[in-house]
Amino acid sequence: GDSVTQMEGPVTLSEEAFLTINCTYTATGYPSLFWYVQYPGEGLQLLLKATKADDKGSNKGFEATYRKETTSFHLEKGSVQVSDSAVYFCALRLIQGAQKLVFGQGTRLTINP
Amino acid sequence: DSGVTQTPKHLITATGQRVTLRCSPRSGDLSVYWYQQSLDQGLQFLIQYYNGEERAKGNILERFSAQQFPDLHSELNLSSLELGDSALYFCASSGRTGTTGELFFGEGSRLTVL
Repeated sequence: GDSVTQMEGPVTLSEEAFLTINCTYTATGYPSLFWYVQYPGEGLQLLLKATKADDKGSNKGFEATYRKETTSFHLEKGSVQVSDSAVYFCALRLIQGAQKLVFGQGTRLTINP
Repeated sequence: DSGVTQTPKHLITATGQRVTLRCSPRSGDLSVYWYQQSLDQGLQFLIQYYNGEERAKGNILERFSAQQFPDLHSELNLSSLELGDSALYFCASSGRTGTTGELFFGEGSRLTVL
């Protein structure tokens, strides 16, 4: 079935460090790909998305590129801040069948000052 | 603010009881999705409704049921509650079917079963 695998957390970095959170997917069709973020005590917010191969999604300094050949959508940020501390979820959504979001298990990120 | 409203935000109840969680989707959105977030299982899809009709079912227990009303709000009913049902329950909405845009999530209802 369709699935998303994220790198396991927790991830702890110092402020201004480079961030990569790996995400790979398995899908029977051509999904759209998403990164959602969940700040402490809050719901999920869309961080960025990409709807087709080679698209790059970006927002708030975060980027991810839809790589069909490697079925990946890794999240990157060049210089993290304490305020980026949150749980990050990679997800896919297919246009056919059940159009639900399929989530990875989430990666907890903590940024220390 | 996503535009999706969930009530109640917090709920504490006892085993064996029944609760109802309510969700109002974004204005104009026809699809409503319910997800369960527990500590050890991440985000699990429960059920989807589109314009009042059940569209897809995920890992929803038989003790749980949902519906979407003509005004498009949705309710998730959880009965014969067990300790393991303690979780954060999210509602999300999206627009017309056949698109692969994002889902918009509410802030969740945190259920604690004692």
